[in-house]
Amino acid sequence: KQEVTQIPAALSVPEGENLVLNCSFTDSAIYNLQWFRQDPGKGLTSLLLIQSSQREQTSGRLNASLDKSSGRSTLYIAASQPGDSATYLCAPNRRNNNDMRFGAGTRLTVKP
Amino acid sequence: DTGVSQNPRHKITKRGQNVTFRCDPISEHNRLYWYRQTLGQGPEFLTYFQNEAQLEKSRLLSDRFSAERPKGSFSTLEIQRTEQGDSAMYLCASSFGRVNNSPLHFGNGTRLTVT
Repeated sequence: KQEVTQIPAALSVPEGENLVLNCSFTDSAIYNLQWFRQDPGKGLTSLLLIQSSQREQTSGRLNASLDKSSGRSTLYIAASQPGDSATYLCAPNRRNNNDMRFGAGTRLTVKP
Repeated sequence: DTGVSQNPRHKITKRGQNVTFRCDPISEHNRLYWYRQTLGQGPEFLTYFQNEAQLEKSRLLSDRFSAERPKGSFSTLEIQRTEQGDSAMYLCASSFGRVNNSPLHFGNGTRLTVT
């Protein structure tokens, strides 16, 4: 059974800082891994999807890396802004398995 | 593309009552998922449809839960004889493709409170 851990559980930083969110998973036989953002009381918004054959993906100020063999992914946020405040969740996805497992998320607060 | 739509946004019901939620996925998306999320946790998988066929069900989906997607478009999730432990956010997601390598798009969820 896939276990997903996200560290830290919560993070508070001043505006402008670069930061790294960590995701680890126990079953490295994954097809891809997706990072999501969730605002309070809302659904999840897809940020980045990394295929198992890729090592990283970039979108604007976001960069996600994947080390499948060690069961780790990181989400790097550059020049953080108050609007980045949200919970960030990672979800590794096993091949031919639609049961995508989520971590509990990292709650990020960016202070102006 | 209006995104994934879920109704109602909130539902308060008394223990023992039946409730039904609706999900309208993005129109060209053939894959549809239901998840449940409790406070401080990530979403937990409940069930998955490809077109109208329900292909996977989690062990979390007890006999009191049933989901349908009759025409391969919208989906409903019904909970019979609700219990207080059913209180959660119920999320629907959809994606396009024959394999699970495309991003999931989530709705804003239905928050269920069982009193």
